[in-house]
Amino acid sequence: GNSVTQMEGPVTLSEEAFLTINCTYTATGYPSLFWYVQYPGEGLQLLLKATKADDKGSNKGFEATYRKETTSFHLEKGSVQVSDSAVYFCALVERGGNKLTFGTGTQLKVEL
Amino acid sequence: DTAVSQTPKYLVTQMGNDKSIKCEQNLGHDTMYWYKQDSKKFLKIMFSYNNKELIINETVPNRFSPKSPDKAHLNLHINSLELGDSAVYFCASSPGLEPNNEQFFGPGTRLTVL
Repeated sequence: GNSVTQMEGPVTLSEEAFLTINCTYTATGYPSLFWYVQYPGEGLQLLLKATKADDKGSNKGFEATYRKETTSFHLEKGSVQVSDSAVYFCALVERGGNKLTFGTGTQLKVEL
Repeated sequence: DTAVSQTPKYLVTQMGNDKSIKCEQNLGHDTMYWYKQDSKKFLKIMFSYNNKELIINETVPNRFSPKSPDKAHLNLHINSLELGDSAVYFCASSPGLEPNNEQFFGPGTRLTVL
């Protein structure tokens, strides 16, 4: 079956530090890949997505590139802010499906 | 304007009771979902409806019964509540069944079973 593996959290960074949250996946064929973010006390919001190999999704300074060779979709940001503190979920939808399969989430804490 | 709304936000109840959670979306979407998020933040889909028709049922106990009176509403009824049902339940919607569609999530309902 499909699965998504994320790095364990929490990840604690100082403001303006570089962020990487690793995500790898297992799926049949070529899925669509997503990063969702959950701010404290809220529902999830789509952060970015990529629908085919070598696509780069980007939003709010975050980026992730769909790497077919390594089955990865790592999330990066060059300079994090306190307001980026949240839980980040990597997810996939298999080709032809509509069911989101989520990773376990990675909590990010950014401190001054 | 709230796109996906859920009521109640918090629900505390005793084991064995029956309870419902309501969800409404005003985005004009055709597809709606219920997800369960456990205490470790793990999210798993429970159900998906498209135009009031059940599309996904992820081996959820039949104590859980979704009901979609129209495509803007997907309510979740839970019978004979158990301790293990304690979780945050999220409703979501998307324009349709296309895999690349963004799903829009509600704020969640925190269910505590005592």
